[in-house]
Amino acid sequence: KNEVEQSPQNLTAQEGEFITINCSYSVGISALHWLQQHPGGGIVSLFMLSSGKKKHGRLIATINIQEKHSSLHITASHPRDSAVYICAVHRGATNKLIFGTGTLLAVQP
Amino acid sequence: EPEVTQTPSHQVTQMGQEVILRCVPISNHLYFYWYRQILGQKVEFLVSFYNNEISEKSEIFDDQFSVERPDGSNFTLKIRSTKLEDSAMYFCASSSHSDTQYFGPGTRLTVL
Repeated sequence: KNEVEQSPQNLTAQEGEFITINCSYSVGISALHWLQQHPGGGIVSLFMLSSGKKKHGRLIATINIQEKHSSLHITASHPRDSAVYICAVHRGATNKLIFGTGTLLAVQP
Repeated sequence: EPEVTQTPSHQVTQMGQEVILRCVPISNHLYFYWYRQILGQKVEFLVSFYNNEISEKSEIFDDQFSVERPDGSNFTLKIRSTKLEDSAMYFCASSSHSDTQYFGPGTRLTVL
């Protein structure tokens, strides 16, 4: 069983829609990351959070440590948001990231 | 804005050959990492490096793999005798501490 699970695996939305991507993890963590991977393969870090909520532009990330769950929200989605969104966790005593399988988001105009 | 760079962007090699993938981390970062992503699969941790030594490695990182920081700026991953299953995208990352990791653009390795 994967230590980090994401849902959905694939998501198609219309421009302007509110999008939610979910991440659940089964191990103790010190922090959780949301990353974006573009079609060319490059990975960009969006958020690192260990509690509560963070917002950057149209992106919002939340985490519930007790429930071992995090969500990434995109408001007013746009075709340029189309990418793979990846959840990854830092375990307590290590710097390595454990990755989820990613969510492929396609936003149609 | 500082960024992690990787060379080459694409490497094609014959099975059994040695390859060296190169990375230049962000200059004031202290922690360095290699990850790989086989096509269609999730990103997997290979190795982390701190204070001129390996701090952690995965079971993937066997004796065929080695890392080095030869000159204080480059961080390299060497695969001694490549196998077909080593074909993947290899990402280098760096961080200043146990915080946000900054990823390079990746090197696509194709083993024929």
